[in-house]
Amino acid sequence: GESVGLHLPTLSVQEGDNSIINCAYSNSASDYFIWYKQESGKGPQFIIDIRSNMDKRQGQRVTVLLNKTVKHLSLQIAATQPGDSAVYFCAENISASGGSYIPTFGRGTSLIVHP
Amino acid sequence: ETGVTQSPTHLIKTRGQQVTLRCSSQSGHNTVSWYQQALGQGPQFIFQYYREEENGRGNFPPRFSGLQFPNYSSELNVNALELDDSALYLCASSLGQGSEEQYFGPGTRLTVT
Repeated sequence: GESVGLHLPTLSVQEGDNSIINCAYSNSASDYFIWYKQESGKGPQFIIDIRSNMDKRQGQRVTVLLNKTVKHLSLQIAATQPGDSAVYFCAENISASGGSYIPTFGRGTSLIVHP
Repeated sequence: ETGVTQSPTHLIKTRGQQVTLRCSSQSGHNTVSWYQQALGQGPQFIFQYYREEENGRGNFPPRFSGLQFPNYSSELNVNALELDDSALYLCASSLGQGSEEQYFGPGTRLTVT
């Protein structure tokens, strides 16, 4: 979830393990959520999204769970690989005028996968 | 790679100066959003441009301004630079103002001394 202080929360796992990254969001009006992966020296990359009318969505090796009651989001990565090492961000989105979305990103969680 | 390019890659400016950062969106995308990412933080939304018009703005002062051109490329201008403006500036393109899937560029690292 969100952290205080200067350092990103870090999750260290062994290759092949399942990883779970958590995120607490702040605005109950948020209706669309996205998980991003950011590797060193690159911009964020879309992983998976979920709308507020769903509580679970699955992709390739990834699953996002949404609990609106406690405003919590999680990203599960199955059979984690060294290439999954990156910083992971959740972003909550609120519908704005004109049909656009205003995203708010969390601080991120650093995932380290040990071979 | 996403097809979104940004220039320059790195930039060093002095406090009080002005800077212009550039972004070329992915082919076919008509919407560009700009973000500021401080070290160890998530990206913060600055503003979005759709078909050359500002279409949403985050909590940034007016000295942060932008433009979008007919070819949908975009500029971010920052006047009167402050030390706290040091960050990675990201642009992201998408198709349509209501399109949620954004494609990010690699960013411009701005250092203000």
